[in-house]
Amino acid sequence: KAGVTQTPRYLIKTRGQQVTLSCSPISGHRSVSWYQQTPGQGLQFLFEYFSETQRNKGNFPGRFSGRQFSNSRSEMNVSTLELGDSALYLCASGTGDTGELFFGEGSRLTVL
Amino acid sequence: DAKTTQPTSMDCAEGRAANLPCNHSTISGNEYVYWYRQIHSQGPQYIIHGLKNNETNEMASLIITEDRKSSTLILPHATLRDTAVYYCIVRVMGGGADGLTFGKGTHLIIQP
Repeated sequence: KAGVTQTPRYLIKTRGQQVTLSCSPISGHRSVSWYQQTPGQGLQFLFEYFSETQRNKGNFPGRFSGRQFSNSRSEMNVSTLELGDSALYLCASGTGDTGELFFGEGSRLTVL
Repeated sequence: DAKTTQPTSMDCAEGRAANLPCNHSTISGNEYVYWYRQIHSQGPQYIIHGLKNNETNEMASLIITEDRKSSTLILPHATLRDTAVYYCIVRVMGGGADGLTFGKGTHLIIQP
């Protein structure tokens, strides 16, 4: 069974640009959640999607958005990038009714 | 979700049992205790979870006190590959998907 796949693994952007990250969950999982990890703030919840609907959102500005497609694949977008957005962005998939989540390797974003 | 308190770091000798404590004195009756770990530069990995009974799987054992205000994760025979940050999380199972709230965790260092 393939794990959670995130693309791209690494990317560099400049301030003001936007970025889109992709996540393919484990087959059969309908829940996809996103987390941001930085040295200063640790792992922080961004949002969670289940069957194409956003069910919950963390405390992040509106520049952070996401969506989920009918095949459960998910994308997150960050617009008007700031230096502080440099982080490891992690995607996790699950069945949606337990706390047992399976994480991908992450996308490491550097904003210059 | 209830808050948890974990030691910042711990050492353990290779081959010995690693016992990682977690306090969750404000846990509610319907909240489960989950443990995850994150090896450097990888996504978090689910280890085990439980409600009130002790649990064991191929990775670890989880001991929850009778009053449920604390728990201990036990890695029975620690290896160098168990060096990681271990997170104790409490949350409700089911009923939607609030994001997991990761604290600072315990940095477990296995010494050769």
